[in-house]
Formats: sequence, structure tokens, C-alpha cells
Amino acid sequence: DAGVTQSPTHLIKTRGQQVTLRCSPKSGHDTVSWYQQALGQGPQFIFQYYEEEERQRGNFPDRFSGHQFPNYSSELNVNALLLGDSALYLCASSLDLRQGDGYTFGSGTRLTVV
Amino acid sequence: AQSVTQLGSHVSVSEGALVLLRCNYSSSVPPYLFWYVQYPNQGLQLLLKYTSAATLVKGINGFEAEFKKSETSFHLTKPSAHMSDAAEYFCAASPGTYKYIFGTGTRLKVLA
Repeated sequence: DAGVTQSPTHLIKTRGQQVTLRCSPKSGHDTVSWYQQALGQGPQFIFQYYEEEERQRGNFPDRFSGHQFPNYSSELNVNALLLGDSALYLCASSLDLRQGDGYTFGSGTRLTVV
Repeated sequence: AQSVTQLGSHVSVSEGALVLLRCNYSSSVPPYLFWYVQYPNQGLQLLLKYTSAATLVKGINGFEAEFKKSETSFHLTKPSAHMSDAAEYFCAASPGTYKYIFGTGTRLKVLA
């Protein structure tokens, strides 16, 4: 049973560019959340998608946007990249967190902005 | 605001010694609580979770954690550390909402 798959694993972008990260959730999971983990920090919640809509958003600017497709896979888009956007981006899939279901995390995409 | 605090950003133990990683949460309602482990350049792997069924929770790799409401704590323990336990550990709370709140992590070093 495949877990959460993220692509690419690493990428390097230049300030001002745009980037798209992709995530395929664990089989059977319908909810996808994205987290940003800066070096030496805990993951910070970006947003969550359910039924192809953004259900909740963390404290991130509008430069961060996303999408969920009918097959539950998801994309994270970041526009006008800043040096401070360099981080590990984690995708996590789940069922209902309100019932105590845990996340299954992918291995992440390491984004470096130069 | 709800928060999760992990005391000690770095913890070192000798191989075979007790591992104790501390986590306190701030919430008016006991949340669901989790411990995750992260190895270098990898995602987070669930060690164990508390969902109110039992206060002492056993997880994978010999880890366990005890929920103490009076102390708002959920400390992670393992009786005997192994070299393979060296990693970063994150405590997280899910206070009945759609997201987790993570602590800042504790890096565990195991000395031979």
C-alpha cells in the first residue's frame, strides 16, 4: 500500500520565480494538508484541502495557493518566491482529524530559493 | 492560543539508558496528542497517539507516552535507548480542528 508520494524531492529556484509541488495521498485518504518546515523548526500549517476546496488556512500569504483534484491528489503553488520560502514542504493525508485520525506524511520536497 | 511546548531542543543519552522527551500542551480542552519521529531528509513517521481511550499509550519501536491532564503533559519515554533512535522528535496536538499544532522538536542523540 503506497503511502503519501511527493514530487519532486528537491528543487532549486531563483527569487521571484514560481514553483509547483505535487502530492498523492495515501490510498483511502480524502484530505490533504500542506506544511512548511524551516530548518530547525517544527512544521507550520499552510492549508488543508477537502472535497477539492480549501477548508482551512494557516498564517501564510496569498502567494501560497493550492488545488485538490478529483482523485484527491494535490498541488501547492508558491508565487514570487522569497529566500525565506526555502524549506522542506510536507504533504500529509488523512481522514477526519477531528476524530483523532493521524496524518500520514510524505517524505517532503526540499525547496531552495537562491 | 493553543500551543505545544517541547522542553529541550537537544537531548543526549547513553545507549541503553532511559529516554525521556518532554511535551506540554496548552489547551482548555484535552486535545488529541501525537508523537512523530523524523530522520534526516525524511518526512514524519507516527510513533504513537493519544485519543482519550487510555492515558498510557504504547507506540512503535518500544516508545510509550503518558497523558497527564493535571500537568497538561504528554512525555515520551523509552526504557533503553538504541543507536537507531537518534532522530528528531515532534510532539503535536490536534485540538479537534482541521490541523495539528507542532512543537519545535527535540533532537535526540544516542552516545555509544
